[in-house]
Amino acid sequence: EAGVAQSPRYKIIEKRQSVAFWCNPISGHATLYWYQQILGQGPKLLIQFQNNGVVDDSQLPKDRFSAERLKGVDSTLKIQPAKLEDSAVYLCASDKTQGPTEAFFGQGTRLTVV
Amino acid sequence: AQSVSQHNHHVILSEAASLELGCNYSYGGTVNLFWYVQYPGQHLQLLLKYFSGDPLVKGIKGFEAEFIKSKFSFNLRKPSVQWSDTAEYFCAVNANNAGNMLTFGGGTRLMVKP
Repeated sequence: EAGVAQSPRYKIIEKRQSVAFWCNPISGHATLYWYQQILGQGPKLLIQFQNNGVVDDSQLPKDRFSAERLKGVDSTLKIQPAKLEDSAVYLCASDKTQGPTEAFFGQGTRLTVV
Repeated sequence: AQSVSQHNHHVILSEAASLELGCNYSYGGTVNLFWYVQYPGQHLQLLLKYFSGDPLVKGIKGFEAEFIKSKFSFNLRKPSVQWSDTAEYFCAVNANNAGNMLTFGGGTRLMVKP
């Protein structure tokens, strides 16, 4: 079974630039998550999708962050404009949705804002 | 809102030593509990999970964890660590009324000396 795919693996941008990350979840997983992991901290949920609908985006800084999952499969997370404090690893995860279940994580995209 | 505390940020052990990593959560309702591990350069992987039933759960690679509801704890244990257990360990909680989204602790970085 293929895992959660993310790209790019690394990205360096200047502050005020924009950046986008891509995620392809495990086939058949209806629920997709984006987490932000700042160095030295645990992952923090940014947004949760079920199919192509948003379940929870309460912790997404909506003035600069946006995410979409138009066809209920792949997802993109965008930051515009980036700030220095956005430097982090952005993790995508997916699960089967039904009942309590485990989430499977991708390798993440390490973003450095300079 | 639920929160998760991991009190040990860094742990250094010699091979064959016993391991116990603490995890406490704050949520009064029913919870699902997880331990994830992140080996250097790799993605987050599930070590073990507790949904219901026997509060002592066994995971991969000889790890186990015990859910003590009265103490809001889910400590991770291994009787004899190996050099290959060097990694970062994250405790995570999902409240039953929060879909499958996870709240993570800050992580514990374990270094096992050969």
